[in-house]
Amino acid sequence: AQKITQTQPGMFVQEKEAVTLDCTYDTSDPSYGLFWYKQPSSGEMIFLIYQGSYDQQNATEGRYSLNFQKARKSANLVISASQLGDSAMYFCAMREGLGTGNQFYFGTGTSLTVIP
Amino acid sequence: KAGVTQTPRYLIKTRGQQVTLSCSPISGHRSVSWYQQTPGQGLQFLFEYFSETQRNKGNFPGRFSGRQFSNSRSEMNVSTLELGDSALYLCASSRFPPTDQETQYFGPGTRLLVL
Repeated sequence: AQKITQTQPGMFVQEKEAVTLDCTYDTSDPSYGLFWYKQPSSGEMIFLIYQGSYDQQNATEGRYSLNFQKARKSANLVISASQLGDSAMYFCAMREGLGTGNQFYFGTGTSLTVIP
Repeated sequence: KAGVTQTPRYLIKTRGQQVTLSCSPISGHRSVSWYQQTPGQGLQFLFEYFSETQRNKGNFPGRFSGRQFSNSRSEMNVSTLELGDSALYLCASSRFPPTDQETQYFGPGTRLLVL
C-alpha cells in the first residue's frame, strides 16, 4: 500500500483565491511527522510546513496551513491568497518513528498552476 | 548559512558507464539522505548516512552505493548505468537524530541523463 497518496495530479487556481491540495497517509506507527514541500521547475525541494502526529492544533506558516484530520489520516495543504509564484509541484511526505531516522515517503505530487 | 550543495548539476553519461555525485550538507548537519526522482516512479529513497555509516537503505539494486566522509560530505555512485537511471538525484541533510519537527533540507539536485 502507498504510504502517501495525492490524488490530484493537477490543480488550477485563480490568483488571490485559496486552494486545497489533498494528501492521505497510511501508517501504523503512532509517531510520525507530515511535511509539505514545494518544487519549482528548477528542481529544488522547498520545505513549507510540518505537522506532528501528536500536535493538537493544525500547523500554520504564513499563507500555508495544514488541515490535519488524524482519524481520516489526511493532511491537506491549504494555500490562501494564491500568488503567481505559487505555481509549482507540491509534495506531501511522511517520516515514521520519530527520532529513528530520516527516511521520507513522498506522494506523487500535485502540479499547481495559478492563473492571473 | 549556506544550503545543501550538489555537484555536478547536470551530467550526461552513456550506458555501462559509472557516475559519482557529490553532496555537501548544511554546516552542522550530520545526516545525509539521497533520493531519486523520475516522472514514472516519483521520489524514491535511496539511502541515509550518519557518522559515515549507512543507516537506512531503499529498495535499489547494488549498483547504487554511497558513502559519507568525516566532514559529513557524501557521495553516491551508480555503476553500469542503465537508461532507466536517468533522473534527478536529490540530496537532503538534517541534524540527527531529528527532533519531531526536524525537516530535511534539500539541495538543487543533479540531473543525470543516460544515453
